[in-house]
Amino acid sequence: GNSVTQMEGPVTLSEEAFLTINCTYTATGYPSLFWYVQYPGEGLQLLLKATKADDKGSNKGFEATYRKETTSFHLEKGSVQVSDSAVYFCALIQPGYSTLTFGKGTMLLVSP
Amino acid sequence: NAGVTQTPKFQVLKTGQSMTLQCAQDMNHEYMSWYRQDPGMGLRLIHYSVGAGITDQGEVPNGYNVSRSTTEDFPLRLLSAAPSQTSVYFCASRDRVDSPLHFGNGTRLTVT
Repeated sequence: GNSVTQMEGPVTLSEEAFLTINCTYTATGYPSLFWYVQYPGEGLQLLLKATKADDKGSNKGFEATYRKETTSFHLEKGSVQVSDSAVYFCALIQPGYSTLTFGKGTMLLVSP
Repeated sequence: NAGVTQTPKFQVLKTGQSMTLQCAQDMNHEYMSWYRQDPGMGLRLIHYSVGAGITDQGEVPNGYNVSRSTTEDFPLRLLSAAPSQTSVYFCASRDRVDSPLHFGNGTRLTVT
């Protein structure tokens, strides 16, 4: 079956540091890949997505590139802010399927 | 535009009690789903629906019932609450298969 593996957190960074959160997946075919973000006390919201190999999704300074050869979709940001503190979820959906498969989430804590 | 609305925000139940978690969306989305979020477990799919009158089980359906009589509403019923059902519950909807999920703000349920 499909699965998504994320690095365990929490990831603790100082403001303006570089961020990488690793995500790898197992799926047949060519899934669409997503990063969702959950701020404290809220539901998840879409951060970015990519639907085919070598696509780069980007939003709010975050980027992730769909790497078919390494089955990865790592999230990066060049300079994090305190307001980026949240839980980040990697997810995929397989063509022909209705449901998303989520990773377990990675908490990011950014200190001033 | 309200999006996905969940009620109540908080609920405490005693073991064996029943209740219904409400979810409504005003975006005319065909797909709706229920997840539970537990520490270290990420998001797990309980039930989902691809349209009015159609429901299906997700990863962890035991102890929960759903129905979808209208496009807008997708209630989740706990017939006999158990402490293992203590969790945060999220409802989510989307338009097309590759569209992002829209999440509600969650219901925090405690079963004593």
